[in-house]
Amino acid sequence: EAGVAQSPRYKIIEKRQSVAFWCNPISGHATLYWYQQILGQGPKLLIQFQNNGVVDDSQLPKDRFSAERLKGVDSTLKIQPAKLEDSAVYLCASSYSGTSGGSYNEQFFGPGTRLTVL
Amino acid sequence: DAKTTQPNSMESNEEEPVHLPCNHSTISGTDYIHWYRQLPSQGPEYVIHGLTSNVNNRMASLAIAEDRKSSTLILHRATLRDAAVYYCILGYYKLSFGAGTTVTVRA
Repeated sequence: EAGVAQSPRYKIIEKRQSVAFWCNPISGHATLYWYQQILGQGPKLLIQFQNNGVVDDSQLPKDRFSAERLKGVDSTLKIQPAKLEDSAVYLCASSYSGTSGGSYNEQFFGPGTRLTVL
Repeated sequence: DAKTTQPNSMESNEEEPVHLPCNHSTISGTDYIHWYRQLPSQGPEYVIHGLTSNVNNRMASLAIAEDRKSSTLILHRATLRDAAVYYCILGYYKLSFGAGTTVTVRA
């Protein structure tokens, strides 16, 4: 089966510019996650969607970051305006269901988008 | 989120077993123990998970202490492809990654 697709793979922008990342999860996966991974650290959850609704966005810097998942399939993450500290790899992941009781649902990660802010 | 403690790094020889420890003394009764790994320049991938009993799958084994305050991921025969950062994570469905253990495999 096809994995999680992300684009672009690399992006270089100047600070204060805007940028958008796209993610297409595995077909049939209801839950979609965006993570930020700064060099040398583990991934940090930014936002979790269940279908097209937000389940958890407690760590999303809402003054500059936004995300949407229209129609409950693919998703975009936007940063506007970007800061130097936003340089990181942005990972998208999906799972069959994120919060259902009983069955375990592993997360499948995409290859990530490496963002460099100059 | 309950916290885990892992060594920063470990080295192993190819075709030898690797035992990766994880301490989690504040684990709650409903916390799963998840292990994910991240190969260089890739996103993390699922390895194994458990709740109370030891678990085996095609990738690895997970040994869980009786009091659940520690666990060990066992790679039975390390290959060069197993060189990665291994993350031990507690929780139910939400994954909170720490810094993990960087595993180096020598040929």
